[in-house]
Amino acid sequence: GDSVTQMEGPVTLSEEAFLTINCTYTATGYPSLFWYVQYPGEGLQLLLKATKADDKGSNKGFEATYRKETTSFHLEKGSVQVSDSAVYFCALSVGAGKSTFGDGTTLTVKP
Amino acid sequence: DAGVIQSPRHEVTEMGQEVTLRCKLISGHNSLFWYRQTMMRGLELLIYFNNNVPIDDSGMPEDRFSAKMPNASFSTLKIQPSEPRDSAVYFCASSQAGFGAFFGQGTRLTVV
Repeated sequence: GDSVTQMEGPVTLSEEAFLTINCTYTATGYPSLFWYVQYPGEGLQLLLKATKADDKGSNKGFEATYRKETTSFHLEKGSVQVSDSAVYFCALSVGAGKSTFGDGTTLTVKP
Repeated sequence: DAGVIQSPRHEVTEMGQEVTLRCKLISGHNSLFWYRQTMMRGLELLIYFNNNVPIDDSGMPEDRFSAKMPNASFSTLKIQPSEPRDSAVYFCASSQAGFGAFFGQGTRLTVV
């Protein structure tokens, strides 16, 4: 079945540091890939997505590239801010089917 | 569009009582998902619907849980009778195929 494995946390960084959160996947068919962010007390929010190989999703300074050859979709940001502290989830979906989520990575950014 | 709307935001109930959680989908979305989130088990998919039809309910923990989608824009998740171990944050999410899921703010359920 489909699965998503993401970097275990928690991750603690200083403000303006470079962020990478690794995500790899296995899927039957051709998945769309997503990153979601969850702030305390809120639901998950779609951060970015990519629907085919070599696509790059980007939003709010975050980027991730759909790498079919390595089955990866790593999340990056060049300079994190305190306000980026949250839990980040990698996910995939195939067609109209359900989304499969990773376990989430908690990011804490210190001033 | 106001996004996915869940009610109530918080629910405290006594063990054995019936609990009904409600969800209004984003207009035009044809898939609906119910999730449960706890510290211990993380995010769990309970059930999902496509075009109002339940497709996969394998995540529904027990017969005490039931979900309905009486029309294209509304869904309910019912727990009867509720137990303390059902305490969690319950999310619903809606999507249009391939475009990612949009989550509601969640219902924090506490069963005492």
